[in-house]
Amino acid sequence: EIVMTQSPATLSVSPGERATLSCRASQSVSSNLAWYQQEPGQAPRLLIYGASTRATGIPARFSGSGSGTEFTLTISSLQSEDFAVYYCQHYNNWPLTFGGGTKVEIK
Amino acid sequence: QVQLQESGPGLVKPSETLSLTCTVSGGSISSYYWNWIRQPPGKGLEWIGNIYYSGSTNYNPSLKSRVTISVDTSRNQFSLNLNSVTAADTAVYYCAKKSGDAYWYFDFWGRGTLVTVSS
Repeated sequence: EIVMTQSPATLSVSPGERATLSCRASQSVSSNLAWYQQEPGQAPRLLIYGASTRATGIPARFSGSGSGTEFTLTISSLQSEDFAVYYCQHYNNWPLTFGGGTKVEIK
Repeated sequence: QVQLQESGPGLVKPSETLSLTCTVSGGSISSYYWNWIRQPPGKGLEWIGNIYYSGSTNYNPSLKSRVTISVDTSRNQFSLNLNSVTAADTAVYYCAKKSGDAYWYFDFWGRGTLVTVSS
């Protein structure tokens, strides 16, 4: 099983600032990585797939990068609605696994 | 646009079977793969397994011995059965649709349903 490790667990950022979230895979997943945003009490929402492709309707301030074992989600200028928990998920092989999440909170 | 809605008991006794149904609307279940994912309170996400409309399944090895996923194409529904439950199975259970391309990420999710395992 591929273990996905996200860091930091919590990120404190002021509105308008940049947020950089990391996701590391225990072995290469190529570019088979997705990012999701989960607001409190809500289902996760797909942000990024293929490590860097934004899903339909996702604002351009969200960007993904990386391949192999190291991945980054960047939110260029945090808006109020971006304060949430973010998860990465690999889909390179079975079983599909998620990272533990990064909570982005208001500084 | 596809919509998914989970339904089922919110409380299950230990050692019994957890049974949930996901109803798909806005599209036919006879396409794509359909998934179950869970999230224990305050914790991360765990993929449980999936099913194709033909009945083909994939399960997480950590749960495989206790899980059955089935599909009813006539009702546009798929279901989850998890037997011999314990308190560790308490979680919000989501159903989700696999993407329309060749890759295994999830582009539509249900709102989730909380299942508590307690006597």
